[in-house]
Amino acid sequence: GESVGLHLPTLSVQEGDNSIINCAYSNSASDYFIWYKQESGKGPQFIIDIRSNMDKRQGQRVTVLLNKTVKHLSLQIAATQPGDSAVYFCAESSQGGKLIFGQGTELSVKP
Amino acid sequence: SAVISQKPSRDICQRGTSLTIQCQVDSQVTMMFWYRQQPGQSLTLIATANQGSEATYESGFVIDKFPISRPNLTFSTLTVSNMSPEDSSIYLCSVEGVGTSHYEQYFGPGTRLTVT
Repeated sequence: GESVGLHLPTLSVQEGDNSIINCAYSNSASDYFIWYKQESGKGPQFIIDIRSNMDKRQGQRVTVLLNKTVKHLSLQIAATQPGDSAVYFCAESSQGGKLIFGQGTELSVKP
Repeated sequence: SAVISQKPSRDICQRGTSLTIQCQVDSQVTMMFWYRQQPGQSLTLIATANQGSEATYESGFVIDKFPISRPNLTFSTLTVSNMSPEDSSIYLCSVEGVGTSHYEQYFGPGTRLTVT
């Protein structure tokens, strides 16, 4: 069935370095992708989204890249800070509505 | 984005009982969803809460176990019925379409349920 998965379940980076979190998706009909950040004890927080007619979108310190050829999504965080420590989820949908979530990557930032 | 609140924030319940979780949004929204997040796991969609009609359930979830109400465009409830320890999870509501981009979904803080 449809699935969205992540290559790395955990990622540890040094404060100030750039972080890259990867995600693979299997539904070629997916046209919308979102990255969420979930801190301990909280609900997922929207970070950035991208539509399938784009291959790159930038936000504040974050960039999402979409490669539809290999069905791969990545989230890049520039100058990673301790406050970025959390679990990051990618999610995809087709024609809106139902979101399918990946398994999550735990990002740990070392001071 | 909308402000979403959930009640209770956490609860410890005995098996065989039921718990109703409330989700309140500070603005009218068309789409509301309920998700389950088991310990250390990702999010799984339980159902779409439809205003004025029966909820739409995903495969593996049934109305008898997870009855949902959606009386208006700002409020929904999810009941976890006849609970067992396997129901111990975080239950999250989300809303769609409140942001600048269509299809954005925003989540409430979650309800952490422990069944003993």
